Amino acid sequence: DAGVTQSPTHLIKTRGQHVTLRCSPISGHKSVSWYQQVLGQGPQFIFQYYEKEERGRGNFPDRFSARQFPNYSSELNVNALLLGDSALYLCASSPGIVEQYFGPGTRLTVT
Amino acid sequence: AQSVTQLDSHVSVSEGTPVLLRCNYSSSYSPSLFWYVQHPNKGLQLLLKYTSAATLVKGINGFEAEFKKSETSFHLTKPSAHMSDAAEYFCVVSDLQTGANNLFFGTGTRLTVIP
Repeated sequence: DAGVTQSPTHLIKTRGQHVTLRCSPISGHKSVSWYQQVLGQGPQFIFQYYEKEERGRGNFPDRFSARQFPNYSSELNVNALLLGDSALYLCASSPGIVEQYFGPGTRLTVT
Repeated sequence: AQSVTQLDSHVSVSEGTPVLLRCNYSSSYSPSLFWYVQHPNKGLQLLLKYTSAATLVKGINGFEAEFKKSETSFHLTKPSAHMSDAAEYFCVVSDLQTGANNLFFGTGTRLTVIP
């Protein structure tokens, strides 16, 4: 079975631009979560979606938004990019409430 | 509030010797606890989980962890280290209070295995 897939793998953007990251969950998983991992740190929770509804939100500014589609895939959008947004963005899917399975991530570099 | 503290940022062991990665947690509720491993340029892989069943949890690749409520600890161990175990390890606590499953990660422990 295919795992969690994310696209693109790498991305370079300029300050002030907008970016959209995409995630496809494991087949049958209805929950998707997004995390930001800055170099040298542990991942930080951004959003969780379940059945297309936002279930949780971490301590991130409103420049960060997300949505989940009827096929349970998800997009993470970041507006007005800052240098500090450079990070590995991880998507995780879950069959229920406990376990989360992570994708390989999207490496975003903001210059 | 939920949080975890990984007591060592870097652990170095010789191949074939035991591994101990230490983690303390803080939780207002009965926590769900996890250990994840991250190899260079790869995603996070779930090693094992504790969800209020047996306190000694066995995971993949010979790893295990013991939940000790009195010590608020969830240390990860392995009897004999392999070269392939070299990676970053994260202790994680889950916050189910809000109906979402937010994972709170520790700062990570880098394991080096010396041949």
